[in-house]
Amino acid sequence: SAVISQKPSRDICQRGTSLTIQCQVDSQVTMMFWYRQQPGQSLTLIATANQGSEATYESGFVIDKFPISRPNLTFSTLTVSNMSPEDSSIYLCSVGTGTTNEQYFGPGTRLTVT
Amino acid sequence: GQNIDQPTEMTATEGAIVQINCTYQTSGFNGLFWYQQHAGEAPTFLSYNVLDGLEEKGRFSSFLSRSKGYSYLLLKELQMKDSASYLCAVRSAGGFKTIFGAGTRLFVKA
Repeated sequence: SAVISQKPSRDICQRGTSLTIQCQVDSQVTMMFWYRQQPGQSLTLIATANQGSEATYESGFVIDKFPISRPNLTFSTLTVSNMSPEDSSIYLCSVGTGTTNEQYFGPGTRLTVT
Repeated sequence: GQNIDQPTEMTATEGAIVQINCTYQTSGFNGLFWYQQHAGEAPTFLSYNVLDGLEEKGRFSSFLSRSKGYSYLLLKELQMKDSASYLCAVRSAGGFKTIFGAGTRLFVKA
């Protein structure tokens, strides 16, 4: 299994500001994903972070609001831009190796927007 | 469209067996996951089924029927620590995008 770390683990931000969340994996992985989990809800896929190219966004999520970087096979960032209280959520990084069928999650970043 | 259905809540007794069902309708299929998630924590991988049949892993087993769009997670010898949400998730065909159901909250009582 992969060991995934995320920074920050939590943050409280003011509306209108932006926060960048980092995801670091202890091994090279083919696929990295960003999910959101709003209070009491299940996980919603935001985008697939592609190494060396633009991320692939799911319906309802756009690059201007959630820009993603993936400079190499072990690291990715998700920025939540121009935040509003509706963005308060847990943001989770997830990875898949491609060689196994398992998919793992980081510990998550708990974001509160006031 | 894509739809994954699982019961919202279940309650079971310590030491008993519980079966959590999941039905899905997706535009493609490349495997089904079960995850366990305790409150305030990230999901933990439990199982992955891509072929029909039962996969057993200790106290947990997962079953898949692709023709019926159906899976279940079976938990045996329930322990209090098994109280958690259990998430059914389907990976789409031709890629590795995984879509999650709403989850089933399991309460284990003494």
